[in-house]
Amino acid sequence: AQTVTQSQPEMSVQEAETVTLSCTYDTSESDYYLFWYKQPPSRQMILVIRQEAYKQQNATENRFSVNFQKAAKSFSLKISDSQLGDAAMYFCAYEGGGSNYKLTFGKGTLLTVNP
Amino acid sequence: DTGVSQNPRHKITKRGQNVTFRCDPISEHNRLYWYRQTLGQGPEFLTYFQNEAQLEKSRLLSDRFSAERPKGSFSTLEIQRTEQGDSAMYLCASSPVPGQGWNEQFFGPGTRLTVL
Repeated sequence: AQTVTQSQPEMSVQEAETVTLSCTYDTSESDYYLFWYKQPPSRQMILVIRQEAYKQQNATENRFSVNFQKAAKSFSLKISDSQLGDAAMYFCAYEGGGSNYKLTFGKGTLLTVNP
Repeated sequence: DTGVSQNPRHKITKRGQNVTFRCDPISEHNRLYWYRQTLGQGPEFLTYFQNEAQLEKSRLLSDRFSAERPKGSFSTLEIQRTEQGDSAMYLCASSPVPGQGWNEQFFGPGTRLTVL
C-alpha cells in the first residue's frame, strides 16, 4: 500500500520569505501523480500544484514550486514570497497511475505566515 | 457552477442514531469520492463512484456505512447506529473523467459530524 509522510506538523514563515514543506512517499508503482493541496481554516481544500512521476522537470505554479526526487521518493513544496493568504494546512497526496483514482494523503503541515 | 456542495455542514447526533449526508458534485463530473478526515489527520479515502456505479470501497467503510449515487448525480452517505468514533469531517470530491492521465479532484466544504 502507498503511504505518504509529512514530517513537519507545523511550520512558520515571515511574510515575503520562502518556506519549504517536506513530503516523502512509498510506492512500488512506476507511474503515479503527486499533489499538494491547501486547506485554509474552515474552507475547502484546493489543489496547489501537481507533478507527474514520468516528468523529470519540476512543476511550477507562480510562487509555488516543487522539488521532485523520484529515486528518493521525495516531493517538497517551496512557497516563495509568502503571503498572509498562504496560511493554511497543506497536504501532500499520492494518486496511482492505473485505474486507482483515490488519493492517499499525508497528515498535513500547518503553515503560519507571520506579518 | 458554484463547485461541490455538501449538506448539512454540521451535524450533531446521539450515539446510536442514523445520519445521512448529501453531496452535490460539479455538474457533468462523472466521478464522485467520499473521504473522512479526523482531527490531526489527512483525509482518508472511503469510496468512489463513476456515474452511478460504486467502483471501490475502503476497508474503513464498515457495514454501518452505505453510499449511493442514484442516476449518477448527487450522492448520499448514510451512517447507521453511529458511534463516537464516527466523529469526523466527511469530505466529498468530484472530478471529470480524464482523457488521459491525472484527474483533479474538486473538494466540497465537508460535513462535520459530532457523535455525543
